[in-house]
Amino acid sequence: IAGITQAPTSQILAAGRRMTLRCTQDMRHNAMYWYRQDLGLGLRLIHYSNTAGTTGKGEVPDGYSVSRANTDDFPLTLASAVPSQTSVYFCASSVLENTEAFFGQGTRLTVV
Amino acid sequence: GNSVTQMEGPVTLSEEAFLTINCTYTATGYPSLFWYVQYPGEGLQLLLKATKADDKGSNKGFEATYRKETTSFHLEKGSVQVSDSAVYFCALQIQGAQKLVFGQGTRLTINP
Repeated sequence: IAGITQAPTSQILAAGRRMTLRCTQDMRHNAMYWYRQDLGLGLRLIHYSNTAGTTGKGEVPDGYSVSRANTDDFPLTLASAVPSQTSVYFCASSVLENTEAFFGQGTRLTVV
Repeated sequence: GNSVTQMEGPVTLSEEAFLTINCTYTATGYPSLFWYVQYPGEGLQLLLKATKADDKGSNKGFEATYRKETTSFHLEKGSVQVSDSAVYFCALQIQGAQKLVFGQGTRLTINP
């Protein structure tokens, strides 16, 4: 069982470019999340989805968009990257009404 | 609002020392509490959890007790090992919501 797979593992991106971070899970979890991890700030929720077809804004949604066309995939898109979006991005999932979240390995994004 | 405050890091200890990492929280409802661990280059993994007051979560020699009166969930281990070197995150989840709120993380280094 793969769990959660994120791609790419790392990326250097020019400011102003569009970028999609991919996240796929094979656990049939209903809920999925995107977090960014920054030194001294812990993990902050960007967007979430409680079930396929629905999404919601987290703590720091500006500059990011998500879609949830099916249960397995939850891509995160940066429409026009800025240097402040340099971070490590983690995708996570959980079974609806269960409290444990499973995390991917992360994507290290550098915007220059 | 809901928030988690962790002990400032980094923390450096010698092998077999006693470990405490403090965590306090502010919550509008009755949260479940978690400790997640992030080993170098990896995503977060659930270490332990407690879902109601006075519950004790335990795993791999680590323990934490849900103290409602002090709004705390301090992580303890009696004798740490080099392999415990990692970043530890305290987190809360409000009942009925899947979103996790994380503390800023505490980097722990254990020297042989």
